[in-house]
Amino acid sequence: GAGVSQSPSNKVTEKGKDVELRCDPISGHTALYWYRQRLGQGLEFLIYFQGNSAPDKSGLPSDRFSAERTGESVSTLTIQRTQQEDSAVYLCASSPGLAGTLTDTQYFGPGTRLTVL
Amino acid sequence: AQSVTQLGSHVSVSEGALVLLRCNYSSSVPPYLFWYVQYPNQGLQLLLKYTTGATLVKGINGFEAEFKKSETSFHLTKPSAHMSDAAEYFCAVSSGTYKYIFGTGTRLKVLA
Repeated sequence: GAGVSQSPSNKVTEKGKDVELRCDPISGHTALYWYRQRLGQGLEFLIYFQGNSAPDKSGLPSDRFSAERTGESVSTLTIQRTQQEDSAVYLCASSPGLAGTLTDTQYFGPGTRLTVL
Repeated sequence: AQSVTQLGSHVSVSEGALVLLRCNYSSSVPPYLFWYVQYPNQGLQLLLKYTTGATLVKGINGFEAEFKKSETSFHLTKPSAHMSDAAEYFCAVSSGTYKYIFGTGTRLKVLA
């Protein structure tokens, strides 16, 4: 079946511009996650959705970052007034959402590579 | 707080040789441990996971890992490397919630 998809695969933008990154989770998955991967670093947790609500936004690095999810499906990560330090690969994952149990494996998309000039 | 350390950002092995990718963790609660693999231009794929029970965990593609509490380690091994194993491998730890803490990754190169 279809996995997690993300678009665009690559995005180059100028400093100060806003960008929107999209994630389409696996159909039926109620939990959705955003991570950031900077060059040479591990994945940083950004935000977690259960359904359309985000009980944990603790990883969002600043108020320039926001995310929303509609219809328990698509999610959009928005970065306003981008800075060069925002350059990274942004990864989305989804899971069935079995009440946060450890059988709830996270399935990852291929990521969006964001470059801020 | 939890953390993960992956020793060696790059590892090279000859085809047919043993693959050993090292992962050490720090956790104040019983850890749940994962290995993911990332092929070029693809998402992370779960190789194997340890939650409770048997400490030797077998995963896909012939990989396995052993949870050693006394050494706080969860090293990934495969007896015989194949060219198709070339990828980046990530170790992750969780306290039993959705929040995974990932290591910085190890890029495996397989030499013909």
